[in-house]
Amino acid sequence: RKEVEQDPGPFNVPEGATVAFNCTYSNSASQSFFWYRQDCRKEPKLLMSVYSSGNEDGRFTAQLNRASQYISLLIRDSKLSDSATYLCVVVNSNDYKLSFGAGTTVTVRA
Amino acid sequence: DAGVIQSPRHEVTEMGQEVTLRCKPISGHDYLFWYRQTMMRGLELLIYFNNNVPIDDSGMPEDRFSAKMPNASFSTLKIQPSEPRDSAVYFCASRSGGAGYGYTFGSGTRLTVV
Repeated sequence: RKEVEQDPGPFNVPEGATVAFNCTYSNSASQSFFWYRQDCRKEPKLLMSVYSSGNEDGRFTAQLNRASQYISLLIRDSKLSDSATYLCVVVNSNDYKLSFGAGTTVTVRA
Repeated sequence: DAGVIQSPRHEVTEMGQEVTLRCKPISGHDYLFWYRQTMMRGLELLIYFNNNVPIDDSGMPEDRFSAKMPNASFSTLKIQPSEPRDSAVYFCASRSGGAGYGYTFGSGTRLTVV
């Protein structure tokens, strides 16, 4: 079983729509969680951290469910510029290594 | 802040040749990571350093791969001899602080071995 698993998508949504997707992780000792965004042929860039209480950053909302070991990302009022691959990232506090999911591809159409 | 700087951006080499990839982390960051990304396997951690010391190289595919960090501002990843299956994008990333801090990635080196 992979350490971090994501629905690869693609999610094709119209502008203005809401899109949400999850990722699951296998290591219950994982301590830190992030969503990264990667555009085609570019490096991954930090989108937002995920906190236990859930957190928002503008149109983006991240949730963490430790009991079920999943993380979610919701994008409201999606823009064309939101088209990208979203990578779920889990960090084990004992070794600081990032474990990446394979990514969820989102395409926002006009 | 110039970010994490990698060179070269693109490298095309023939099978059997030595390839050296370079990385300059963000000043003050004490962790440096080398990742490889392919369509088939996604992002894979190859090796990481803390304060210039290699901590975990379990992701290095085989003896043909080696990495060094002679000082806090420079690291290299070397492949000798290179093979076509090494073709991938190689990313360097750095960070400081505890596990709750995100990483900053360089722009990557796109390696093609023919």
